[in-house]
Amino acid sequence: DAKTTQPPSMDCAEGRAANLPCNHSTISGNEYVYWYRQIHSQGPQYIIHGLKNNETNEMASLIITEDRKSSTLILPHATLRDTAVYYCIVRVAFGANNLFFGTGTRLTVIP
Amino acid sequence: ETGVTQTPRHLVMGMTNKKSLKCEQHLGHNAMYWYKQSAKKPLELMFVYNFKEQTENNSVPSRFSPECPNSSHLFLHLHTLQPEDSALYLCASSQAVEIHEQYFGPGTRLTVT
Repeated sequence: DAKTTQPPSMDCAEGRAANLPCNHSTISGNEYVYWYRQIHSQGPQYIIHGLKNNETNEMASLIITEDRKSSTLILPHATLRDTAVYYCIVRVAFGANNLFFGTGTRLTVIP
Repeated sequence: ETGVTQTPRHLVMGMTNKKSLKCEQHLGHNAMYWYKQSAKKPLELMFVYNFKEQTENNSVPSRFSPECPNSSHLFLHLHTLQPEDSALYLCASSQAVEIHEQYFGPGTRLTVT
């Protein structure tokens, strides 16, 4: 599986867009990009995933560069409840079931 | 109840005790997982069940014993644990074992004294 690199921490002002980057320069053609987040003392929460097209759902948008070597998770209007650790994971869509969460990015939304 | 539930939410046990963690999913999924999250370490996958059958055991010590009586319920039986086993134990489920869209429960915070 491709390795991912994320900044350890980021701050974002409440109401502004939070843009969380992820580098995955060794991603292969059949690997998807998944994003999860973990709010303090809770279980991880699935956010979104994509292959090469940009994706949007009710929680976030996922922008994947054309060469697929990096991606950005966008929370369009961050709230205090979005403070969490965000994990970028690269895996084949159908395969062995071990999701490697890594250390993620700790996003702090500031009032 | 919706989603994935876990009981108890907090557990303190001595090293000679026997206790069990329970997980229940109300999503109609066929795959269930146990993860361990120790302080300042990434989540570690412990066990995977697919249609009640164990498909993966990530070199977990025998003092942790999983049980999956049906696709909706998963247990983790604990005995003679060590203080280093203190951690957040998370249960998750997915529609199929190959699907990486997993839904997690709130976890059980375990402290071994």
